[in-house]
Amino acid sequence: GESVGLHLPTLSVQEGDNSIINCAYSNSASDYFIWYKQESGKGPQFIIDIRSNMDKRQGQRVTVLLNKTVKHLSLQIAATQPGDSAVYFCAEKSDSWGKLQFGAGTQVVVTP
Amino acid sequence: NAGVTQTPKFRILKIGQSMTLQCTQDMNHNYMYWYRQDPGMGLKLIYYSVGAGITDKGEVPNGYNVSRSTTEDFPLRLELAAPSQTSVYFCASSYSPAGDNEQFFGPGTRLTVL
Repeated sequence: GESVGLHLPTLSVQEGDNSIINCAYSNSASDYFIWYKQESGKGPQFIIDIRSNMDKRQGQRVTVLLNKTVKHLSLQIAATQPGDSAVYFCAEKSDSWGKLQFGAGTQVVVTP
Repeated sequence: NAGVTQTPKFRILKIGQSMTLQCTQDMNHNYMYWYRQDPGMGLKLIYYSVGAGITDKGEVPNGYNVSRSTTEDFPLRLELAAPSQTSVYFCASSYSPAGDNEQFFGPGTRLTVL
């Protein structure tokens, strides 16, 4: 079936640098996308979302970009901090009941 | 608000045993979800509920059952535990479907079946 997937399983970033996490999706009917952060031993935590009628959305230190032409989603984290070390998941809403389909996740490791 | 709470945090079961994973939310959310997360993988939906008395299957429902007798509680039942059910289980809730409101996740239950 259609699925959401990530290009890079692990991303090592130096503290202070910008991080870019990528996600490919294949369901062209998806109209809502979310990025979650999961710290070790904890549940996923909402970071930012974007609807399919938008190309870009900014939050605090984070930006999500959506390219519907190539079905690509990215999360940019500015000035990466040690507290940003976590696994990041993208997810897409698969139907009107709010069911989410998750990608496999990218481990972000912030080095000093 | 305590948000979404799950009990127990950890559990070890023997093959064939049964157990109930508890999930409670105090945000008066209509929608509740159960996911499982296998090592190095994303979350997969087991069951979901759009309100008290209404439940439906997700992507991986086999081996599980749910009930939703109240708005607050959404327990997940494993009747005959199998090693393939070793996973971390997350409960989530939202006021309305994703896209309208955020899904809030509980801290998870780590289950091992030996």
